[in-house]
Amino acid sequence: EAQVTQNPRYLITVTGKKLTVTCSQNMNHEYMSWYRQDPGLGLRQIYYSMNVEVTDKGDVPEGYKVSRKEKRNFPLILESPSPNQTSLYFCASTLGVGQPQHFGDGTRLSIL
Amino acid sequence: QKEVEQDPGPLSVPEGAIVSLNCTYSNSAFQYFMWYRQYSRKGPELLMYTYSSGNKEDGRFTAQVDKSSKYISLFIRDSQPSDSATYLCAMSAVPRNTPLVFGKGTRLSVIA
Repeated sequence: EAQVTQNPRYLITVTGKKLTVTCSQNMNHEYMSWYRQDPGLGLRQIYYSMNVEVTDKGDVPEGYKVSRKEKRNFPLILESPSPNQTSLYFCASTLGVGQPQHFGDGTRLSIL
Repeated sequence: QKEVEQDPGPLSVPEGAIVSLNCTYSNSAFQYFMWYRQYSRKGPELLMYTYSSGNKEDGRFTAQVDKSSKYISLFIRDSQPSDSATYLCAMSAVPRNTPLVFGKGTRLSVIA
């Protein structure tokens, strides 16, 4: 089954404690993205990757890092999380920029 | 003016009603238009994908694009309680060059 898998689904943590949200896709897609979704603000792109070792900033990259060492994986790293990063995060993959995206089921992060 | 505008709702309709969901946009370069459905605690899933102007029908769902008015619509016929979800429009200019731009979503409740 074609899918995008995120882990963990839920995480409560404290300010400053580094965390990583993993994302894996099994569709051999070149393009992967991370979004955050906040009430009233909709989906906002954090980072995207057009291929292995190629990443670029989206609309709201501050406080986040990503890496793309393998085609299927695209982890999101919060080096020093802060409460304003409390949000619902989605990983997505697609054949190409601007094409329909396949989303994971989301990771709800709470930073205390 | 925001690039994509979408009324957040909530929209509440009785079962069996015809539902009309809409987005307006400002960028005349948008060529590809999508509708996503997002259930609570799930990621967005692609419902409809259309190119340029015109209509596309899939079962109870019809997507319309009016590029002259910069206006897209999603119609749901014979709405069901299972259609209760948030519906997001998304669009892009050229598939391999520009990222998707999302509307903020409209929350729909279909009451049995």
